[in-house]
Amino acid sequence: TQLLEQSPQFLSIQEGENLTVYCNSSSVFSSLQWYRQEPGEGPVLLVTVVTGGEVKKLKRLTFQFGDARKDSSLHITAAQTGDTGLYLCAGAGPSNTGKLIFGQGTTLQVKP
Amino acid sequence: GAVVSQHPSWVICKSGTSVKIECRSLDFQATTMFWYRQFPKQSLMLMATSNEGSKATYEQGVEKDKFLINHASLTLSTLTVTSAHPEDSSFYICSARAPSGRMETQYFGPGTRLLVL
Repeated sequence: TQLLEQSPQFLSIQEGENLTVYCNSSSVFSSLQWYRQEPGEGPVLLVTVVTGGEVKKLKRLTFQFGDARKDSSLHITAAQTGDTGLYLCAGAGPSNTGKLIFGQGTTLQVKP
Repeated sequence: GAVVSQHPSWVICKSGTSVKIECRSLDFQATTMFWYRQFPKQSLMLMATSNEGSKATYEQGVEKDKFLINHASLTLSTLTVTSAHPEDSSFYICSARAPSGRMETQYFGPGTRLLVL
């Protein structure tokens, strides 16, 4: 069974601070996605990482896929109050099913 | 871009009644849609995979007679919560598999909040 362990589950920081969210597994994933979700809305895809060791940047967000494709991280530089939300990592499930395996999520609160 | 809508966005019902939630892909055809359930500040839990023209595939522990899924067209899947009870209160989210590109790419709907009294 493929599982994704996401940490931390809750994070409360001041505006301007940096943070990192981790997503770990003992299984290899062909790809991994990061989503951001606001209360009362559906998740919005931020990025998909596919290649081991891959690093992608989206403004102040940096995403990394581990060399072995078993883990990933999301780093936010100089967090802003608008970054507040639930961050979810999701790995591609068993082949040909199209399913996603979601981590537990990280609730981020950025205080002014 | 690909847009997925859900209707209604929220619903309040009495215990024992049935509630139908619609999931539509607005500008693309979706042969596969997924239904998720989410509790406050928790992650998404996959309930079932909805395949156009065939029976849905349910995840372990999800009662198929309780959560009826119908995917009658390439743009519409419905989830009916039968004989709803307060413990069925939750946020239900659907997604549609992207028509091209990576198989695991899904577009998510805005969710439906269900409150059973």
